[in-house]
Amino acid sequence: QVQLVQSGAEVKQPGSSVKVSCKTSGDTFSGYGFAWVRQAPGLGLEWMGGIIPIFGAPNYAQKFQGRVTVTADGSTSTAYMELSSLTSEDTAVYYCARVTMVRGVPIFYFDDWGQGTLVIVSS
Amino acid sequence: DIQMTQSPSSLSASVGDRVTITCRASQTISTYLNWYQCRPGKAPKLLIYAASSLQSGVPSRFSGSGSGTDFTLTISSLQPEDFATYYCQQSYSTPIFTFGPGTKVDIK
Repeated sequence: QVQLVQSGAEVKQPGSSVKVSCKTSGDTFSGYGFAWVRQAPGLGLEWMGGIIPIFGAPNYAQKFQGRVTVTADGSTSTAYMELSSLTSEDTAVYYCARVTMVRGVPIFYFDDWGQGTLVIVSS
Repeated sequence: DIQMTQSPSSLSASVGDRVTITCRASQTISTYLNWYQCRPGKAPKLLIYAASSLQSGVPSRFSGSGSGTDFTLTISSLQPEDFATYYCQQSYSTPIFTFGPGTKVDIK
């Protein structure tokens, strides 16, 4: 089974940025996409954005446009998510997830997840 | 943008009960619908993809159905480890994804 290992918890000041990493094991980085999903306290899952190779450039939820950047480094099998201009409302657990496509069919799903990274935004 | 709704938002059930959760899309999404389980302190887990395909390793008491705008997740006989929150997700507009608001299943 693929393992996605995320970076550790962060405490950030309002107005600053955070960069979360997600390292995969094995040879399953190439050809897969990666998505970033967050869950704020007491709230549901929220897709923030992701990068899927067949679509080229990263895509982002409208809510986070201009504030989030998703990248992937094939040389280290690591995906990254950077969120800027943090406010207390960005306090959440951030997950990376591998995006898999059914072979030959445009059906996508998130089949493996990182353990989550808690980001607390507080002064 | 495609909006997803779920009903109920929460339900109480007992071990052994049959549980049904509904998900509705704001426009037709064919069968591009996935279901996830979230338990406190754990990463989400994929249960069902493409509306009715059971993910490898997921118990057969979980099943999904539907197409177009209306979908259902059924747990045939609720087990203690199934008390969790369940989310639907549309992948029709990939690379843009949307989750539903979730349905919390707790112990009666």
